[in-house]
Amino acid sequence: KNQVEQSPQSLIILEGKNCTLQCNYTVSPFSNLRWYKQDTGRGPVSLTIMTFSENTKSNGRYTATLDADTKQSSLHITASQLSDSASYICVVSAEQAGTALIFGKGTTLSVSS
Amino acid sequence: SQTIHQWPATLVQPVGSPLSLECTVEGTSNPNLYWYRQAAGRGLQLLFYSVGIGQISSEVPQNLSASRPQDRQFILSSKKLLLSDSGFYLCAWSRQRNTEAFFGQGTRLTVV
Repeated sequence: KNQVEQSPQSLIILEGKNCTLQCNYTVSPFSNLRWYKQDTGRGPVSLTIMTFSENTKSNGRYTATLDADTKQSSLHITASQLSDSASYICVVSAEQAGTALIFGKGTTLSVSS
Repeated sequence: SQTIHQWPATLVQPVGSPLSLECTVEGTSNPNLYWYRQAAGRGLQLLFYSVGIGQISSEVPQNLSASRPQDRQFILSSKKLLLSDSGFYLCAWSRQRNTEAFFGQGTRLTVV
């Protein structure tokens, strides 16, 4: 069964600190992996997208990594800001019929001052 | 540039009442369109997707239905709402099946 598991479920960090969010998936055949940021009460916004051949991709203070062999991805946030407080969702796309987007349940990040 | 509009932002409806949520996309043609529901503390659940006018696929059986009367318009409906229909509903579009999905701002539906 295609699944995406994220950890931790929630995280609280101090402003300025770094953090890493994890995503493990069992989706096959794999097409690509995306990280989305969802502010409370808003729609998700894409941060990064990685294909099978990409190991790392950065978007400002956000750096995503992908290990296709172990089927793991991480999202590293550097020098966190209060505005980073949000839910971060890992989405894996499979090469199959239908929409083929499998969503994780997200990690809720709270950055405090 | 492409934009997606979804309304209303919040909605409180009594049990048994009908529902109509509308989503429109601008700046692109023949998009793939999606309706998702996000229950509290849970991930996004795909409800419906459409690859063209009048073409609707349902991912889960439920009290809801969807229609695509125009290329860039996607409507989520219900004839009689249930308490369990409460949640955060998101419309999204993508150019192709496995490309990036762009989400609307969502509708918070509370059935009372």
